[in-house]
Amino acid sequence: EVQLVESGGGLVQPGGSLRLSCAASGFTVSSSYMSWVRQAPGKGLEWVSIIYSGGSTYYADSVKGRFTISRDNSKNTLYLQMNSLRAEDTAVYYCAVTTFYWGQGTLVTVSS
Amino acid sequence: DIVMTQTPLSSPVTLGQPASISCRSSQSLVHSDGNTYLSWLQQRPGQPPRLLIYKISDRFSGVPDRFSGSGAGTDFTLKISRVEAEDVGVYYCMQATQFPLTFGGGTKVEIK
Repeated sequence: EVQLVESGGGLVQPGGSLRLSCAASGFTVSSSYMSWVRQAPGKGLEWVSIIYSGGSTYYADSVKGRFTISRDNSKNTLYLQMNSLRAEDTAVYYCAVTTFYWGQGTLVTVSS
Repeated sequence: DIVMTQTPLSSPVTLGQPASISCRSSQSLVHSDGNTYLSWLQQRPGQPPRLLIYKISDRFSGVPDRFSGSGAGTDFTLKISRVEAEDVGVYYCMQATQFPLTFGGGTKVEIK
């Protein structure tokens, strides 16, 4: 059974950093393409980043240069390093594998 | 960026009656590999998104056959043949043909 469990969210001040984790089971992260998608409170879905099995990465313009997607194959875990956070980054962050399976999400709140 | 436009914004439906959601993309979603990467996702209240349909009309594992997808090029439709109480939620179309991946604004399905 495929499972995705996000963690690492929380309250952070503007300009601060957070690292989100997505622990996967039931499949191999390194063999799949994995995405981060976010949802601001009461809003729709916004794609953030993707990493392919070959290691290629892509980002939404809104996070390019501030966020970094990566994975640890030994831990079968996906990460999202978020730097220079802004109020508009406040959202629930979901990890997804090929958009077929989604985690429950982790809430990131950027506020002073 | 490809803009995904969904109509209607809200769809009040009587239990057991059909529902239909339209999604239009600002440019063709046919990929150079010949596939059309148009998906439909369901988000029930308080839940993460769940994939229903991928590549226009392929139903994901475990999705009831009352859900069907159709369309081509820039115009796509999700149909629910007979709405059940568990179908209440917001439905999103999503394109993965071109970066950045983009979502429609969502259609809220509710029971009359």
